[in-house]
Amino acid sequence: NAGVTQTPKFRILKIGQSMTLQCTQDMNHNYMYWYRQDPGMGLKLIYYSVGAGITDKGEVPNGYNVSRSTTEDFPLRLELAAPSQTSVYFCASSYRGKHGYTFGSGTRLTVV
Amino acid sequence: GQQLNQSPQSMFIQEGEDVSMNCTSSSIFNTWLWYKQDPGEGPVLLIALYKAGELTSNGRLTAQFGITRKDSFLNISASIPSDVGIYFCAGLDLMGSSNTGKLIFGQGTTLQVKP
Repeated sequence: NAGVTQTPKFRILKIGQSMTLQCTQDMNHNYMYWYRQDPGMGLKLIYYSVGAGITDKGEVPNGYNVSRSTTEDFPLRLELAAPSQTSVYFCASSYRGKHGYTFGSGTRLTVV
Repeated sequence: GQQLNQSPQSMFIQEGEDVSMNCTSSSIFNTWLWYKQDPGEGPVLLIALYKAGELTSNGRLTAQFGITRKDSFLNISASIPSDVGIYFCAGLDLMGSSNTGKLIFGQGTTLQVKP
């Protein structure tokens, strides 16, 4: 059982570059989320999706985009990377939002 | 927006000691969750609480859902070195009539255990 798989695990970007953080889950969960984690700040919601074709903004969406073409995949796109986007990014999924989330192991992104 | 205040921010304790941490909110939640994050990993669910007043245990861990629905605590008894990590509380967002499943997270409690 793979659960939630995130790639890559680490990445260094230059300012202004773009990249896509990949997230896939094999639990047939319809709800998926992207969070960023900064030291001492907890987890902040970037975007979420309650099903294929449906996405919505979370608390800190600026500078990011998402798509949800399938139930399994929920990629996060960074356009024009900025140093403020240096963070650890977590993807998570849940069954209709109940019983908490299953998290991926994270992507550590550094923008220099 | 909604916020959870989690305390303490960090704890450094001796192996064998008991630990207590808590979360408070200005809003009501219908579900409280406690997660643990090991270094370099994503958070893992420890305990889920669904009813006000509910007290639930998972091994050496005990958590309670406050009767006001605005707070929760987590206790760890007889701590061991592998308890080291960051503990997060989370509340299930009740805003609006649609269930988006959005969790609001506390800032985390970093626990260090001295052998």
